[in-house]
Amino acid sequence: AQTVTQSQPEMSVQEAETVTLSCTYDTSESDYYLFWYKQPPSRQMILVIRQEAYKQQNATENRFSVNFQKAAKSFSLKISDSQLGDAAMYFCACFIIQGAQKLVFGQGTRLTINP
Amino acid sequence: NAGVMQNPRHLVRRRGQEARLRCSPMKGHSHVYWYRQLPEEGLKFMVYLQKENIIDESGMPKERFSAEFPKEGPSILRIQQVVRGDSAAYFCASSPLGTRPQGGNQPQHFGDGTRLSIL
Repeated sequence: AQTVTQSQPEMSVQEAETVTLSCTYDTSESDYYLFWYKQPPSRQMILVIRQEAYKQQNATENRFSVNFQKAAKSFSLKISDSQLGDAAMYFCACFIIQGAQKLVFGQGTRLTINP
Repeated sequence: NAGVMQNPRHLVRRRGQEARLRCSPMKGHSHVYWYRQLPEEGLKFMVYLQKENIIDESGMPKERFSAEFPKEGPSILRIQQVVRGDSAAYFCASSPLGTRPQGGNQPQHFGDGTRLSIL
C-alpha cells in the first residue's frame, strides 16, 4: 500500500519570503507521479505542480519548485516570493500508474502568509 | 467546456436519513473517482467507477455506502442511515482514460465537492 506523509501540520512565512513544505512517500512501484495540490477556503483542489518519477530534473512552475529525491522518497515544495494568495492547505499526493490509479494524499500542511 | 459538476454544494441531513451526492464528469471522461475529506484531513479514496462498472471500491465503508455510474446520467454516491461521523466533504474526480496522464495534465480533474452535514 502507498502512503504519503506530511510532517508539518502548519507553516507560516512572511510575505515575499521563501518557504519549503515537506513530503515523504512510500511505494514499491517504480512508475508513479507526484503532485502538490492547493486547497483554499473555497475547497477547490488546485493542481500546483507535478513530477514524473522517471524524470530526474526537478519540476518548476513560476514561483513553485520541487526538490525530488527519489532514493529518499522525498518530494518537498518550495514557494518563492510568497504572496498573500498562497495562503491555503497544501496536499502532497502520489499517483500510481498501474492498478486502481487512485491518488493517495498526505494529511496536508496549512500555510499562513504574514503580511 | 464545463468541468466536473457536483451537486448539491451543501447537503444537510438528520441522523438516519439518506444522502445522495451527484457527480457529472467532464465531457469525454468515462472514469469517476470519489474521495472523502474529513475535517482537517487529506482526501481519502473511496471508489473508482467506469460506466456501469465498479472497478475498485476498496476505500468504501462496508455498510451503508454505495456508488453507481449508470450508462446515462451522473454518478451517484449514496449513504444510507447517515450518522454524525459521515459529516465530511465528498469530492468527485474524473479522467478520460485510466492511463498515464499526458503532457502537463493532471490525472484526475476535481469537482468543488459536496459538504455533507449531519444534524
